[in-house]
Amino acid sequence: GENVEQHPSTLSVQEGDSAVIKCTYSDSASNYFPWYKQELGKRPQLIIDIRSNVGEKKDQRIAVTLNKTAKHFSLHITETQPEDSAVYFCAVLMDSNYQLIWGAGTKLIIKP
Amino acid sequence: SAVISQKPSRDICQRGTSLTIQCQVDSQVTMMFWYRQQPGQSLTLIATANQGSEATYESGFVIDKFPISRPNLTFSTLTVSNMSPEDSSIYLCSVKRDLTGELFFGEGSRLTVL
Repeated sequence: GENVEQHPSTLSVQEGDSAVIKCTYSDSASNYFPWYKQELGKRPQLIIDIRSNVGEKKDQRIAVTLNKTAKHFSLHITETQPEDSAVYFCAVLMDSNYQLIWGAGTKLIIKP
Repeated sequence: SAVISQKPSRDICQRGTSLTIQCQVDSQVTMMFWYRQQPGQSLTLIATANQGSEATYESGFVIDKFPISRPNLTFSTLTVSNMSPEDSSIYLCSVKRDLTGELFFGEGSRLTVL
């Protein structure tokens, strides 16, 4: 079955710097890759996603890149702000049963 | 995004009792799911709630422990039966938007079993 690995588990960056979180997956047939942000005590919120027909997608300070050949995708946050502090989860949609397989999460800490 | 109402938002329960969590969506959706999230952990899929038929459970989860109802395309319930402290967790309802495939979550139900 699909296996999703997410790194790092914790990431601490200075406010204003960039943050990058990476995920790798095993099923080459997967075509949908969302990223979720979960603030403490809140529900996971979809922040950006990418489908396999594109290599990059950007939404203001957030971007996601996808390398289907290498089977990895990354979340990029530029000009980080204190409100970016949260746990970020990557996920991969399995084409076989339309279920999401989740990464273990990355705790992002923005230092003032 | 879909508006998903989940209740209760939190509850403290006694060992051996059962609790039913409700999930209401503001529009009809084909696929609804129930997840569990332990503190500091990722999300674990419990089951897919199928409208008009029995839910599809993931490995490690059984119907006797987590019965699920899905009477229509906007509503589902998850019951946590015969609770033990190990069932203390956040339970999340989620729906998949039919057109785009995006997954949205309810606010979660934080369950503490004493």
